[in-house]
Amino acid sequence: EIVLTQSPGTLSLSPGERATLSCRASQSVSSNSLAWNQQKPGQAPRLLISGASSRATGIPDRFSGSGSGTDFTLIISRLEPEDFAVYYCQQYGSSPITFGQGTRLEIK
Amino acid sequence: VQLLESGGDLVQPGGSLRLSCAVSGFTFSSYAMSWVRQAPGKGLEWVSAITGRGGGTYYADSVKGRFTISRDNSKNTLYLQMNSLRAEDTALYYCAKAANWAFPDYFDYWGQGTLVTVSS
Repeated sequence: EIVLTQSPGTLSLSPGERATLSCRASQSVSSNSLAWNQQKPGQAPRLLISGASSRATGIPDRFSGSGSGTDFTLIISRLEPEDFAVYYCQQYGSSPITFGQGTRLEIK
Repeated sequence: VQLLESGGDLVQPGGSLRLSCAVSGFTFSSYAMSWVRQAPGKGLEWVSAITGRGGGTYYADSVKGRFTISRDNSKNTLYLQMNSLRAEDTALYYCAKAANWAFPDYFDYWGQGTLVTVSS
């Protein structure tokens, strides 16, 4: 099983700032099969990024993903008030599908 | 695309429950589906998956032998039969649509979840 470790656990930033979220895998993720999901309180998760860097339909271009192998990054270039949420990385290159423990992005 | 879960309830340890997920807005049989759960205040845990035509089923070790995933493509509905329930199965259970027919894959749509509480 691939273990995903996200850092930091909590990130405190202000609107307009840049957010950098990290996801490290315990072994190489096949074919860069890494997704990022956003979850707001009381809501279901929402897909942001698949294939490490491909934005899902309707996702603003301030969200970008990068990385390969074991190290992946989600960058939000200029934070909007609606971006404060919990972010989960997910690998789907091998079974079982696994998620990171999440990074909580909070307003400073 | 809509995914609507139902069937969650309060059940005693050792009991059984069947969850359903009714879908619309896409060709159900063309896509794999999964159940993903989230314990109160915790992160996401993949539980089980089934391929588009139902020929392949997959389970997390934590539920293998106790849960059974199935689908009825004629009814556009996904199921999760949960037996021998434990307190640690308490969670909000999400139905999630995969991006393709095979497993594993990422999830492009999620339902709103149905709550399962296992307690005496």
